[in-house]
Amino acid sequence: TQLLEQSPQFLSIQEGENLTVYCNSSSVFSSLQWYRQEPGEGPVLLVTVVTGGEVKKLKRLTFQFGDARKDSSLHITAAQPGDTGLYLCAGARGGATNKLIFGTGTLLAVQP
Amino acid sequence: KAGVTQTPRYLIKTRGQQVTLSCSPISGHRSVSWYQQTPGQGLQFLFEYFSETQRNKGNFPGRFSGRQFSNSRSEMNVSTLELGDSALYLCASSFQGINTEAFFGQGTRLTVV
Repeated sequence: TQLLEQSPQFLSIQEGENLTVYCNSSSVFSSLQWYRQEPGEGPVLLVTVVTGGEVKKLKRLTFQFGDARKDSSLHITAAQPGDTGLYLCAGARGGATNKLIFGTGTLLAVQP
Repeated sequence: KAGVTQTPRYLIKTRGQQVTLSCSPISGHRSVSWYQQTPGQGLQFLFEYFSETQRNKGNFPGRFSGRQFSNSRSEMNVSTLELGDSALYLCASSFQGINTEAFFGQGTRLTVV
């Protein structure tokens, strides 16, 4: 059972375009993290959101945690070829564990 | 500060063999988690160790096991390898014991032939 669904699965856009990736669940998470992964490498942490309704900005990337802490979105403004990669959301349930439940992933390709 | 180090980076094994993968977490991090990543199933949680104790375990068969040493380094072992065990195995370390950010190593690419 996949608890975190990401959409879209694949996205191919031109440099300069904007895009939004969604991460949805029917479950509540105590926090949610976004990662970017390049082929053959481990995921790199981009941001952690903790509070319902929280918005965080990282240069051209804007992350939002849903009010009910069940969903999140990642918006990229003026995408660049360097943004190409697999974007993964991951939810933490809290309690005495660092276990993460990963989303299905969104593969982004930004064409120059 | 050095990141998470996984060794080896690549492995090729034959069905039926066993394999041991190693992970050195970021200095000061006491929690180490292991994940399996495949194209079909994505990233799936294997187990987590904290202060040498397994704190959580995913839905994998008993052929998958792990341990953590007093210096927080961790190993995972897969016995009686099957073709379906071919995957990227990722280790993640976290600083505190509870619900904190995870930092991943580069992974070990295991191919079973």
